[in-house]
Amino acid sequence: GNSVTQMEGPVTLSEEAFLTINCTYTATGYPSLFWYVQYPGEGLQLLLKATKADDKGSNKGFEATYRKETTSFHLEKGSVQVSDSAVYFCALTLGGSARQLTFGSGTQLTVLP
Amino acid sequence: EADIYQTPRYLVIGTGKKITLECSQTMGHDKMYWYQQDPGMELHLIHYSYGVNSTEKGDLSSESTVSRIRTEHFPLTLESARPSHTSQYLCASGGTANTGELFFGEGSRLTVL
Repeated sequence: GNSVTQMEGPVTLSEEAFLTINCTYTATGYPSLFWYVQYPGEGLQLLLKATKADDKGSNKGFEATYRKETTSFHLEKGSVQVSDSAVYFCALTLGGSARQLTFGSGTQLTVLP
Repeated sequence: EADIYQTPRYLVIGTGKKITLECSQTMGHDKMYWYQQDPGMELHLIHYSYGVNSTEKGDLSSESTVSRIRTEHFPLTLESARPSHTSQYLCASGGTANTGELFFGEGSRLTVL
């Protein structure tokens, strides 16, 4: 079956530090990949996505590149801010269907001033 | 800005009570979903709907039930709440483009005493 594995948290960084949250996947086929973010007390919202190999998704200074050879979709940001403190979920879907959306377990990020 | 709304945001009730969690969206989406989010943050799909009068059980077995009488409304009901139902419940909807992107409500946090 399909699965998503994220690096375990929690992750604590100082403001302006470099962020990497690892995400690898297992899928039968060529999935679309997503990063969702959940800010405290809120629902999830889509942060970025990539639909085919070598695509780079980017938004709000965050980036992730779809690496088919390593089955990875690591999330990066060059300089984090306190406002980036949230839970980050990596997810995949096959065939573009949200019904088959598979989420990772989430990584809690805390950024300290 | 989210166009999907959940009420109540927080609910504390006693065992045996019947509760309904409301979810409404104004985006005209056919597909709607209910996820249960455990304290470890993992998301589990418990119900989904492809349209009016269409509902299916998700990957995680749940004693809750749902209905879809109108496109914009997807309520979740527990006939007799128990402490094991204590959780965060997230409603989501997806567009007809079948892109795998979901729009989430802010969640309903249920505590059963």
